[in-house]
Amino acid sequence: ETGVTQTPRHLVMGMTNKKSLKCEQHLGHNAMYWYKQSAKKPLELMFVYSLEERVENNSVPSRFSPECPNSSHLFLHLHTLQPEDSALYLCASSLTPGTTYNEQFFGPGTRLTVL
Amino acid sequence: KQEVTQIPAALSVPEGENLVLNCSFTDSAIYNLQWFRQDPGKGLTSLLLIQSSQREQTSGRLNASLDKSSGRSTLYIAASQPGDSATYLCAVSGNQFYFGTGTSLTVIP
Repeated sequence: ETGVTQTPRHLVMGMTNKKSLKCEQHLGHNAMYWYKQSAKKPLELMFVYSLEERVENNSVPSRFSPECPNSSHLFLHLHTLQPEDSALYLCASSLTPGTTYNEQFFGPGTRLTVL
Repeated sequence: KQEVTQIPAALSVPEGENLVLNCSFTDSAIYNLQWFRQDPGKGLTSLLLIQSSQREQTSGRLNASLDKSSGRSTLYIAASQPGDSATYLCAVSGNQFYFGTGTSLTVIP
C-alpha cells in the first residue's frame, strides 16, 4: 500500500464511450502525475500537476483530458479513444517537485482496453 | 532529451546469487535517481532514491550506487530470493521524470 489509490482497476470501453479514471493520494503531496505504460516501452509521462496547476503536458492527444480539483485528487477523462490507447495508466504523486529529494509514489494502475 | 537505458533487458539467476542491474542516462543534470520494482500488471514500488549529491543508498539486501558524472547507476541485490522476481525500473529526475524500459528478473528456486 503506497498511499496512492486508483479506480477502476480494469476498464473496457468502446471507441465512442466516455469514461474517467480516478486517482487519490493520502500522502499530503503537492504534485500528481499521469503516466501511460505500454508493452515494451518506457513509461510515458502524460500530465503533471503541481499545487493543482498543470505544469507539463507532453503533447498528449486531446482525447485525454486531465482534471485536478484539489491536491489529493486527479482525474483522467477519456473520450473517443483508439485501440492503440489500450495500456496500463499509472498515477503517481510526490511532495516537492524540482528538488533532490522528490520521490514518486505510484498507484496500482488502471488496465484500459479499448475495443 | 534525456535517455535512460537499462541492461540487461532480462536476467535469470539461481536463488542465492548476488546480482547487479545497470542503468545509464545521457544527461548528468539530474536531481536524483530512483529505483522501482514492478510486479506483473501492478504499479511501481519505490525501492531506493539517491539524491544527486549522494553516491549510494542501502535498504536491506539492496544497494544502489550513483556516478552522476559518468551517467551510471547500479542496483546490487544480495542473496537473491524467488520473491525478488519482478521488473526493476530506474528513473532520473530532471525537469521531469525519465524512465528506462526495465530489467525483468527471474530468480529460480
